[in-house]
Amino acid sequence: DTEVTQTPKHLVMGMTNKKSLKCEQHMGHRAMYWYKQKAKKPPELMFVYSYEKLSINESVPSRFSPECPNSSLLNLHLHALQPEDSALYLCASSQVPGQTFPYEQYFGPGTRLTVT
Amino acid sequence: AQSVSQHNHHVILSEAASLELGCNYSYGGTVNLFWYVQYPGQHLQLLLKYFSGDPLVKGIKGFEAEFIKSKFSFNLRKPSVQWSDTAEYFCAVNTGGGNKLTFGTGTQLKVEL
Repeated sequence: DTEVTQTPKHLVMGMTNKKSLKCEQHMGHRAMYWYKQKAKKPPELMFVYSYEKLSINESVPSRFSPECPNSSLLNLHLHALQPEDSALYLCASSQVPGQTFPYEQYFGPGTRLTVT
Repeated sequence: AQSVSQHNHHVILSEAASLELGCNYSYGGTVNLFWYVQYPGQHLQLLLKYFSGDPLVKGIKGFEAEFIKSKFSFNLRKPSVQWSDTAEYFCAVNTGGGNKLTFGTGTQLKVEL
């Protein structure tokens, strides 16, 4: 099973709402990622977890709060978002990279977020 | 910081035409290179990757790419495209291991019947 699942597929939220995005994989990967993809743009890395610990935060605003409760799950908690945060949020997973080479990242289908 | 350039933003081809999509990166050290594809309504999928060894790598669905170190390039090729190859193609670079991938801006390929 090489599938990364994400829920929900679509989410519309107001600027005062609190919501969460969920990502799940059962490939035994111990690295998980959140990316943001605006329309007609490439994915941009937001966060990386390795062995359930946050290892990279690409200077993401605190209104985005990631959480990795176990090795299969990754959440992204959203609070007080702005309309410019509307985008496709992608989750990915991989084996934990070595010091000189990475591993293939497997991507989920994404959650299309609209902030009104 | 490394950057990745894909100069062809939109490409339109007829079926059976040959394809070459450009990818250039700016980083002088060791690089690991990827091509990902995003079919309409689907998730990103890996087409092929280069870490070391033979600079000509073959991927899925008849795609191949050539790493030319002196030109800082990793161009994607396919001898004969099909309508089903219509998708967005992203080149991505990792430098020196670790988790971080930097994606190029993408090339939207449309194959016409």
